[in-house]
Amino acid sequence: AQSVTQPDIHITVSEGASLELRCNYSYGATPYLFWYVQSPGQGLQLLLKYFSGDTLVQGIKGFEAEFKRSQSSFNLRKPSVHWSDAAEYFCAVVGNNNDMRFGAGTRLTVKP
Amino acid sequence: EPEVTQTPSHQVTQMGQEVILRCVPISNHLYFYWYRQILGQKVEFLVSFYNNEISEKSEIFDDQFSVERPDGSNFTLKIRSTKLEDSAMYFCASSEFGRNTEAFFGQGTRLTVV
Repeated sequence: AQSVTQPDIHITVSEGASLELRCNYSYGATPYLFWYVQSPGQGLQLLLKYFSGDTLVQGIKGFEAEFKRSQSSFNLRKPSVHWSDAAEYFCAVVGNNNDMRFGAGTRLTVKP
Repeated sequence: EPEVTQTPSHQVTQMGQEVILRCVPISNHLYFYWYRQILGQKVEFLVSFYNNEISEKSEIFDDQFSVERPDGSNFTLKIRSTKLEDSAMYFCASSEFGRNTEAFFGQGTRLTVV
């Protein structure tokens, strides 16, 4: 069965510092991969997605993610974090069926 | 920009009562989904719906849950006899072609069972 693991429950970074949020998936083939962000009290907003092709994908708000098949990973990165990036980040996978499965989420705190 | 709309934004109900959560997906989308998020926990898949029938459902989606597309625009989630543990944020989502297109999420309905 497909699954998504986000090993870091909570990460704190200083404003201006770089960020990497980890995501590992378990699936027999290459799934479709997504990163969503959820601000407090809000719905889910898509940051970026990977279907095929270039393994480094660019998203909104300066985020990017790299698909590494050998590591079954799809880590999210940002070179310089802004205070407004404080939110919950969810990695998600869609396999052969149409249900999207989410990781447990990583809460990002940004220090001034 | 088209968006998924959910109503109400907050629903309070007594244990044992039936609730219906409503969603209006994006108009040209064909796949519809319900997810829930218990406070402080991850987003959990409930059900996907395509061509007027359930295509996938999770172990959470038991007999007390049902979904319906009563007309050309609404997509509803009914919980027949609510329990305290049904208290959560419920998100509706839709996608144009299913797995190879992104799902757009509504703002959610916060359900509180008392």
